[in-house]
Amino acid sequence: QMQLVQSGAEVKKTGSSVKVSCKASGYTFTYRYLHWVRQAPGQALEWMGWITPFNGNSNYAQKFQDRVTITRDRSMSTAYMELSSLRSEDTAMYYCATGAGDGIQFPFDYWGQGTLVTVSS
Amino acid sequence: EIVLTQSPGTLSLSPGERATLSCRASQSVSSTYLAWYQQKPGQAPRLLIYGASSRATGIPDRFSGSGSGTDFTLTISRLEPEDFAVYYCQQYGTSPMYTFGQGTKLEIK
Repeated sequence: QMQLVQSGAEVKKTGSSVKVSCKASGYTFTYRYLHWVRQAPGQALEWMGWITPFNGNSNYAQKFQDRVTITRDRSMSTAYMELSSLRSEDTAMYYCATGAGDGIQFPFDYWGQGTLVTVSS
Repeated sequence: EIVLTQSPGTLSLSPGERATLSCRASQSVSSTYLAWYQQKPGQAPRLLIYGASSRATGIPDRFSGSGSGTDFTLTISRLEPEDFAVYYCQQYGTSPMYTFGQGTKLEIK
């Protein structure tokens, strides 16, 4: 069955960076876009960006454009989300999720379990 | 950027009742690209409805979606205890952005 398994919780200092991984299994990794979504405590879902694992192309929400980098390792069927210049407002649960098809315009049908990132000074 | 506004913020109902949740877009959204998700505490979101009215795999038929243009609705015909959760709408048609509503919390009355 399709599954996304994310790396464990992180505690980071203000101004540092964090890199979260998302390992895919149960499907052909290169066939589906891989998205990152975050959720601050008690807040709504917020889309951050996507990567197409086939060729590594990525696209980011304008809010995160200058601080986020999404990459992938095809040999490991793993995607990564790195967020830099962390501030306290970045404390959130970070999810990876797959698009439900082989293009951009699909809803997100499989989700990772989430990675809690806590930022403090 | 398309803004999605959900109402009400909180809906208090009893098991067996009918729930109607609203999602209004700041500009027209193709119904092909409107989804609903359910999220329970401590869990990742789960896709319920896509294309405004199509149920995702394994979703019970008490969940239904409707609407077009700027107004969309998620209806739960008869609430089961496991349906009490937070529900989000999402538009996924305006690349590169995928926007979510702020959520409706469905709580037990």
